[in-house]
Amino acid sequence: EAQVTQNPRYLITVTGKKLTVTCSQNMNHEYMSWYRQDPGLGLRQIYYSMNVEVTDKGDVPEGYKVSRKEKRNFPLILESPSPNQTSLYFCASSFGESTGELFFGEGSRLTVL
Amino acid sequence: AQSVTQLGSHVSVSEGALVLLRCNYSSSVPPYLFWYVQYPNQGLQLLLKYTTGATLVKGINGFEAEFKKSETSFHLTKPSAHMSDAAEYFCAVSSNTGNQFYFGTGTSLTVIP
Repeated sequence: EAQVTQNPRYLITVTGKKLTVTCSQNMNHEYMSWYRQDPGLGLRQIYYSMNVEVTDKGDVPEGYKVSRKEKRNFPLILESPSPNQTSLYFCASSFGESTGELFFGEGSRLTVL
Repeated sequence: AQSVTQLGSHVSVSEGALVLLRCNYSSSVPPYLFWYVQYPNQGLQLLLKYTTGATLVKGINGFEAEFKKSETSFHLTKPSAHMSDAAEYFCAVSSNTGNQFYFGTGTSLTVIP
């Protein structure tokens, strides 16, 4: 089954404790990206990657890191989480052309205390 | 930068009534436009998209949208609402290069029995 898998789905952590949210896709997609969803703000892009070892900032990259060492994986790293990073995070992938649809994971709800 | 505006963060309709969700975009070049739906505790999934050609686009579950360049709009409609249509709907536009997607703030649709 074609899918984008995120882990963990739910996480409560404390300020400053490094965490990684994993994302894996099995569709051989070139493009992967991370979004955060906040009430009243919709989805905002954090980082995206057009291919292996190619990453770039989206609209809200502060406080986040990413890496793309393999085509199928695109982890989101919070080196020192803060309460303002409490949010619902989505990973998405596509073939990379501008007309292509995004395929989303089920989301990871992160709470930073 | 491109942007998407969704008028009305909450829309309520009676079962069987017309659904109209509004979306306006700003883009200096011909856009690629999308509507996504998000059911509770799930990721987003594509309803329909406009790339080129026919301006009336049909999607899944009886939804359709019309691209009106003169009005910079891409409103989503469904002739007869069903209880299962209750969800959050997002309008989105992609950049020409496919690097970035810009989402509206979403419209929560409630269907009243």
